[in-house]
Amino acid sequence: EIVLTQTPGTLSLSPGERATLFCRASRSVNSRYFGWYHQKPGQAPRLLIYGASNRATGIPDRFSGSGSGTDFTLTISRLEPEDCGVFYCHHYVTSPFSFGPGTKVEIK
Amino acid sequence: EVRLVESGGDLVQPGGSLRLSCAASGLIVSEHDMDWVRQAPGQGLEWVGRSTKKIDGHTTEYAASLEGRFSISREDSQNSLNLQMNSLKSDDTAVYYCVFYISGIPYWGQGTLVTVSS
Repeated sequence: EIVLTQTPGTLSLSPGERATLFCRASRSVNSRYFGWYHQKPGQAPRLLIYGASNRATGIPDRFSGSGSGTDFTLTISRLEPEDCGVFYCHHYVTSPFSFGPGTKVEIK
Repeated sequence: EVRLVESGGDLVQPGGSLRLSCAASGLIVSEHDMDWVRQAPGQGLEWVGRSTKKIDGHTTEYAASLEGRFSISREDSQNSLNLQMNSLKSDDTAVYYCVFYISGIPYWGQGTLVTVSS
C-alpha cells in the first residue's frame, strides 16, 4: 500500500503570496496517475492537477504541479482569497488507491 | 460534457443496507474505470473501491477496511453503476462520491450523504 504524506498540515498566508504544498509517497508512483484536489467546505473536491503537472480544465495558471517518483509539489504562485480550503494529493496507480491527509490553506 | 449524479443516500440504522447509484452522462460507463470514494464528516478522502472497464473484465477491488461489506456493480444498459452497502456501521457515515477516469483524468460527482444512526 502506498501511503501519501502531505506537508505542511496548515499554511497561513496573505493574498498575493506564493504557496508551496508537498506530497510524499511511501514508494515510487507513476506520475501519470497522480493528482491534486482543492476542497472547500460543503463542496466536492475539485480537480486541479492530473498527471502530476497537467492543469485540469478551467484551472487558472497560478496553479502548477511538479514532481515524480516519491515527491510531488503543488505551487500556487499568487494566492487569491478563494484559494482557502483543503488541498489533497491522490494516487490512482495501484490498489489500494489513496489520498494524502490534506493541507489546509488559510488566507490571512 | 461529463456529468455524474449520485443518488440513494439516506438515514439508515446500524446493521442495515443501502444501495447507492451513480448515473453518468457524457461518457459510456462500460469504457472507463471508476471508483467510489467517501468522506466522513470533517475528515479526509477515503478510497472505497474500484470497478475496472469492460475490456479489463469489470473486475472489482475494495478497501480492506470494509471487510467485504460493500460491493460495486454496473448497469451498462442504464449507463450507471451501484454501490451495495451491507452491515452498515456508524463509521460508514459519509458523503459518497463516484469517480470516473477518462484517459487518466478523474471526473467526480457531487456526492450523496449516507448517515448510519439509530
